[in-house]
Amino acid sequence: DAGVIQSPRHEVTEMGQEVTLRCKPISGHNSLFWYRQTMMRGLELLIYFNNNVPIDDSGMPEDRFSAKMPNASFSTLKIQPSEPRDSAVYFCASSLNRNTEAFFGQGTRLTVV
Amino acid sequence: DAKTTQPNSMESNEEEPVHLPCNHSTISGTDYIHWYRQLPSQGPEYVIHGLTSNVNNRMASLAIAEDRKSSTLILHRATLRDAAVYYCIRTLPGSARQLTFGSGTQLTVLP
Repeated sequence: DAGVIQSPRHEVTEMGQEVTLRCKPISGHNSLFWYRQTMMRGLELLIYFNNNVPIDDSGMPEDRFSAKMPNASFSTLKIQPSEPRDSAVYFCASSLNRNTEAFFGQGTRLTVV
Repeated sequence: DAKTTQPNSMESNEEEPVHLPCNHSTISGTDYIHWYRQLPSQGPEYVIHGLTSNVNNRMASLAIAEDRKSSTLILHRATLRDAAVYYCIRTLPGSARQLTFGSGTQLTVLP
């Protein structure tokens, strides 16, 4: 298996633009997580899906952020409109179920200018 | 509160064992202790986890104190590739078992 695949690896966008980050979890994994990492705040859990259903989105910073998981093999994290303070590395992770170890993707480095 | 306490940084010489400590004094009886590490420019990587007994795998060993208020990740022979930030995580109570990352320990391995 290729592991968790995220795209794009790097994204530079202007403030106010819509940004969509994509994630393909490991096949057969039922849990999916989106994290954000910054120097100031470290790794923060944004949202957690189990069997394609959002279970906990309490980490989503505000209404500008939304996440979907239309099927077991694809998830998106959308920011609209983007702001410079959204600049961070966004990681997607998946696990077989909510009780097993998580496998992380390589991340998407987002820069909002 | 799902916090753990780790030293900000540690150094080790190559080929020597490394003991990375973690305090989790408020841990509950059902919480697991997970260790992840993050190499430069990569996503976090699972290392090991345990509940009460000491655990071993191909990457490391996990020694858990009898009272479970602390644990130690042991790398038996550090290599330069082990230089990373190591996170000790106490899983949140409840059904989700989400991972809450702290600031971790930056391990530097000296040649």
